Order: sequence, then structure tokens, then C-alpha cells
Amino acid sequence: KAGVTQTPRYLIKTRGQQVTLSCSPISGHRSVSWYQQTPGQGLQFLFEYFSETQRNKGNFPGRFSGRQFSNSRSEMNVSTLELGDSALYLCASKAGGEVSPLHFGNGTRLTVT
Amino acid sequence: AQSVAQPEDQVNVAEGNPLTVKCTYSVSGNPYLFWYVQYPNRGLQFLLKYITGDNLVKGSYGFEAEFNKSQTSFHLKKPSALVSDSALYFCAVRVPANDYKLSFGAGTTVTVRA
Repeated sequence: KAGVTQTPRYLIKTRGQQVTLSCSPISGHRSVSWYQQTPGQGLQFLFEYFSETQRNKGNFPGRFSGRQFSNSRSEMNVSTLELGDSALYLCASKAGGEVSPLHFGNGTRLTVT
Repeated sequence: AQSVAQPEDQVNVAEGNPLTVKCTYSVSGNPYLFWYVQYPNRGLQFLLKYITGDNLVKGSYGFEAEFNKSQTSFHLKKPSALVSDSALYFCAVRVPANDYKLSFGAGTTVTVRA
């Protein structure tokens, strides 16, 4: 089975721009979560989608949004980029149920200049 | 609120020696506990989990972890460390019925010297 695929791997944007990141989960996985990883804040939960519905949301401003499509693929969007948005954005999928582990992609490294 | 702490930023061991990475948690209710490992420029890889039952759980790559309810700990262990075990390790906790969110510790960098 193919793993979680995130595109692009690297992205450089300018302050004020917007960006869209893409995630393709493992086949059959209906839950997709997004995390932001930075050296100072560690891993912070952004949101989780299940069957196209946002099931949970972390403490991020409204500039961060996401969606999930009927094929379980997910996108997250960040508008009006700030320097502090520079981070590794990780997507993870799981088969379902509370005890299933997350399977992570290799992330998208976003740099905001 | 649920939280997890990894008290050591870094752990250094010699190859062949035992490796322990510490994790403590604070939750209301019975936790589900997980360990993940991250290699440079990669995503996190699942190592093992504790849900219920036997307090000693075995996982991938020879790692194991012991759940201790009285000490609210879930330390990761490996009897004989390898240089290739050098990586960033994360402990994570989820409380059932708590919105399915997985809370991660800050991470512990493990360096195994040859």
C-alpha cells in the first residue's frame, strides 16, 4: 500500500500570500489530520477531517482552513501568510477508531519570507 | 485538558547500551498512549501503543514501553541501542471521548554513538 503523500515537499512564499497544501491518505483511510511542526512549539494539532466533515479543530486563527474531498484527499489553506507560519506541515491518516495509530506523510516544508 | 511531558530534551547513549526515553502524562480518564519516531526530513513513524491490558507493550525495531498508572508514565525502552536509532522521539496521548485529538510531547532527541 502506498503511504501518505503530501505535495509539494517544499514551498517558499512571501508574506501576505496564500498557500494550499495537499494530502493523499492511505487507500481506505477516511480520517485525515493536519499538524504544524516548529522548533519552538513542537507538534500542534490543526484539524481533523472524517468523511468530508471537520471533526475537530485546534487553536489556530481562521487564516488556517481545510477541507476533505469524497475520495478522502485533503487540502489545507493558509491565507495572508505571516513569517511565523514557516513550519513543517504534516498530514496523517488513519483507518478509523480511537485506537488506530496515525500514519504520517513526509510533510510540506513552508518557508515564508 | 490532556497533556504529555517528555522531561529530557536529549538522551545520549553508547551503541549496545540500554536506551530509555521518558514520558509522563496528565489526563482525566484512561489514556491511549503512543510512541512515534521521526528521522530527519521525514514524517513521524508509529512505534507502539498502549490501549489496555498488559502494561508492557512491544513495538517495532525492538522497542518496548511500560505503562505505569500510579506514576502516570509510559517510558520507551530498548535493551541494546543502535546508531540507527538516533532520531527524534515523540510520546502522544489521546483520551477516549475527548474529540479524538492526539496531543504530543515536545520530543526527545536520541543520539547513539558508535
